[in-house]
Parts: sequence; structure tokens; C-alpha cells
Amino acid sequence: AQKITQTQPGMFVQEKEAVTLDCTYDTSDQSYGLFWYKQPSSGEMIFLIYQGSYDEQNATEGRYSLNFQKARKSANLVISASQLGDSAMYFCAMREGGFGNEKLTFGTGTRLTIIP
Amino acid sequence: DAGVIQSPRHEVTEMGQEVTLRCKPISGHDYLFWYRQTMMRGLELLIYFNNNVPIDDSGMPEDRFSAKMPNASFSTLKIQPSEPRDSAVYFCASSNTYSAQFFGPGTRLTVL
Repeated sequence: AQKITQTQPGMFVQEKEAVTLDCTYDTSDQSYGLFWYKQPSSGEMIFLIYQGSYDEQNATEGRYSLNFQKARKSANLVISASQLGDSAMYFCAMREGGFGNEKLTFGTGTRLTIIP
Repeated sequence: DAGVIQSPRHEVTEMGQEVTLRCKPISGHDYLFWYRQTMMRGLELLIYFNNNVPIDDSGMPEDRFSAKMPNASFSTLKIQPSEPRDSAVYFCASSNTYSAQFFGPGTRLTVL
């Protein structure tokens, strides 16, 4: 089974609207971390937000928030008030296990296009 | 602080040639990662180091690939001999323990 599943290969969203990018994960570990990265057309990978499995509150970073639903094993990224500069590939990633395991497994990504 | 630095940014070489990719991690980070990104396979972890010691190289595709980290501020990924199927973007990333990984700008490798 895929450890990280991003079911939306592409999304088109009107500027200023909110957008939700889906991510589901599969792990039997109790301790894990979930990450979102942005990859614009220029190619760099930019870290956006992190959620730990024991974090009780959903993570937020500026216009980014992570809708963490542990029982459903989902970690959706929400971007509020989308901007043209948000057009990019977005990757969800997971780190499993506790201290000492630093490997990230990435999903296949969602290409987000913001329409003016 | 400077981010992760990679060189060269672009490399075009012919099949059979040796290729060396270089990475300088963020100062103070104790983990360094090498990834490869292709359209077909997505983003794959090749190898990672902790305090200059290789921890997991299970993602290294074959013996043609090797990676070293002689000190805390420098790492290399070498492909010898290179093949067209090695064409990809190679990323280096660094992190502290149990924190987010920060990526370099990548090296776009084309093997003709």
C-alpha cells in the first residue's frame, strides 16, 4: 500500500479562494510526522508546515493550515485566500517512527494552478 | 543564514562519464539527505547521513552511485559511469534531529 496518497493530480482554483489539498497516509506507528512542501516551477522544494502525530492542535503557518484528522489518517493542506504565487506542485510527506528515523516518504504531488 | 548550497546547478555529460554532485548543508544541521526526482518515479531518497556517517543507503540504485560526507559542511554524490537513465534532478537536503528538512536548489543532470 502507498504510504502517502495524494489523489488530486491537478487542481484549478480562482484567485482569493481557499483551497484544500488532500493527503492520506498509512502507518502503524504511533509516533510520526507529516510535512507539506511546495515546489514552484523554478524547481526548489520549500518547506511549508509540519504536524506531529501527538500534536493536539492543527498546525498553522500564515495562510497555511493543516487539517489533521488522525482517525481518518488524513492531513490536508488548506491555503486561505489563494494568490497567483501559490501556483506550484505540492507534496505531502511522512516521517515514521520515533527519534532517530529521519526518512521522509513523499506522495506523488498535486499541481495547483491559481486562476486570476 | 545561507540555505543548502548545491553545485553545479546544471550538468550535461555523455554516457560513461563520471559525474560528481556537491552539497554544502546548512551550518549546524546534523543530517544530510540526497534525493533524486524524476517524472516517472517522483522524489526518491537515495542516502542519508547523520554526523557525517551514512545511516541508510538502501535507496542508492546500484554500485555506480556512491556518496561521501568527509566533514560536516560538505558531501558529494558520484555516479560512475553515468547512464542516460540517471538523468534527473538531484536534491540535497539537511536538517536537525526531528525537524523539517530544508532542500537545496537541486542539480539538473542530463546524461546524453
